[in-house]
Amino acid sequence: DGGITQSPKYLFRKEGQNVTLSCEQNLNHDAMYWYRQDPGQGLRLIYYSQIVNDFQKGDIAEGYSVSREKKESFPLTVTSAQKNPTAFYLCASSMERGADTQYFGPGTRLTVL
Amino acid sequence: GENVEQHPSTLSVQEGDSAVIKCTYSDSASNYFPWYKQELGKRPQLIIDIRSNVGEKKDQRIAVTLNKTAKHFSLHITETQPEDSAVYFCAYQYSSASKIIFGSGTRLSIRP
Repeated sequence: DGGITQSPKYLFRKEGQNVTLSCEQNLNHDAMYWYRQDPGQGLRLIYYSQIVNDFQKGDIAEGYSVSREKKESFPLTVTSAQKNPTAFYLCASSMERGADTQYFGPGTRLTVL
Repeated sequence: GENVEQHPSTLSVQEGDSAVIKCTYSDSASNYFPWYKQELGKRPQLIIDIRSNVGEKKDQRIAVTLNKTAKHFSLHITETQPEDSAVYFCAYQYSSASKIIFGSGTRLSIRP
């Protein structure tokens, strides 16, 4: 998990603004994932990508968008359509899709002011 | 469905005692079951995992058991220590979508 980074660590946004969260990995992993975690709650899957230029919606994709133009990078945009975006966002990667260990980044804590 | 049920949601044990967390899943084709530990404000980290070709796996004070017939798996922590205090998540591979489904978490507290 030391090879997966997220930035920034803390992010503040005004209502109505789009923001992009960065996720980079140098582990040569094919699959990457974005999760949302609310206080005291579990992990909910937003989007995942199994290969470059391909991604799938998770359980709570509404109000979010992603791109996967490079193997190393999987940025997440939180759009103004996401009505309650304040949360802890975690990025993860794994060698292959599915039955393989996921390694998590340190997370970005997004707060809407 | 995709859900995995995790119990209990909170668990408090005396230091030195054992802790057990149980999860029940629905997808009979699943073959990968990891457990993650998350300390406050930190990232989840894999502590142990098991694949369906074995019924038990142990790593020092941590063990995981798997009962595929009953579709449940459990985390066992023996000789608990203060540093074991954290939130623990079970997870399993949902085979048809090739993604990992996480449980809702168990907050484990170790009493001195």
